[in-house]
Amino acid sequence: SAVISQKPSRDICQRGTSLTIQCQVDSQVTMMFWYRQQPGQSLTLIATANQGSEATYESGFVIDKFPISRPNLTFSTLTVSNMSPEDSSIYLCSVGTVSSYEQYFGPGTRLTVT
Amino acid sequence: KQEVTQIPAALSVPEGENLVLNCSFTDSAIYNLQWFRQDPGKGLTSLLLIQSSQREQTSGRLNASLDKSSGRSTLYIAASQPGDSATYLCAVVSSNTGKLIFGQGTTLQVKP
Repeated sequence: SAVISQKPSRDICQRGTSLTIQCQVDSQVTMMFWYRQQPGQSLTLIATANQGSEATYESGFVIDKFPISRPNLTFSTLTVSNMSPEDSSIYLCSVGTVSSYEQYFGPGTRLTVT
Repeated sequence: KQEVTQIPAALSVPEGENLVLNCSFTDSAIYNLQWFRQDPGKGLTSLLLIQSSQREQTSGRLNASLDKSSGRSTLYIAASQPGDSATYLCAVVSSNTGKLIFGQGTTLQVKP
């Protein structure tokens, strides 16, 4: 299984600012994903991070609000832009194997917007 | 549209009990089913992966079963311990989309 790290682990941000979350994997992976987990809720897929091309966003999520970069097969960033208190959530990146579609998750970034 | 449901939403048991967590899904077109554990405010730890062609998987005190035709999976935890207290999430990968779809989770408390 892949070892995934995320930075920062948590942050408290002011309304209207932006935060960039980093996801680093210890091996090259084809599939990388970003999820959001709002308080008391389950996980919702934000987008699939595609290496060398634009991310594929799920319904309800847009690139202007959640720009994603994936410059190589081991690293990705998610930016939460123009934040509001409703963006307070845990943001998690995951990687998947093409052979079995098994996914492994990072430790998450706990974001609080005041 | 695939939907995943977990019952019960919360469960409290005394230490040492054997217990079963339930997961159901509406569309049997899946690649696999995964059970995860999540501690409060933390990320997800993968517990067991069952491929669509498999019936069950075991890891230590955990056993997960899959009945794809009826859209059901169970996670059996033997001889529960206080350290098992966490939220358990069930998720399926849809064959149609390749995406992981989560249930709402079962929050387990094991009392000493």
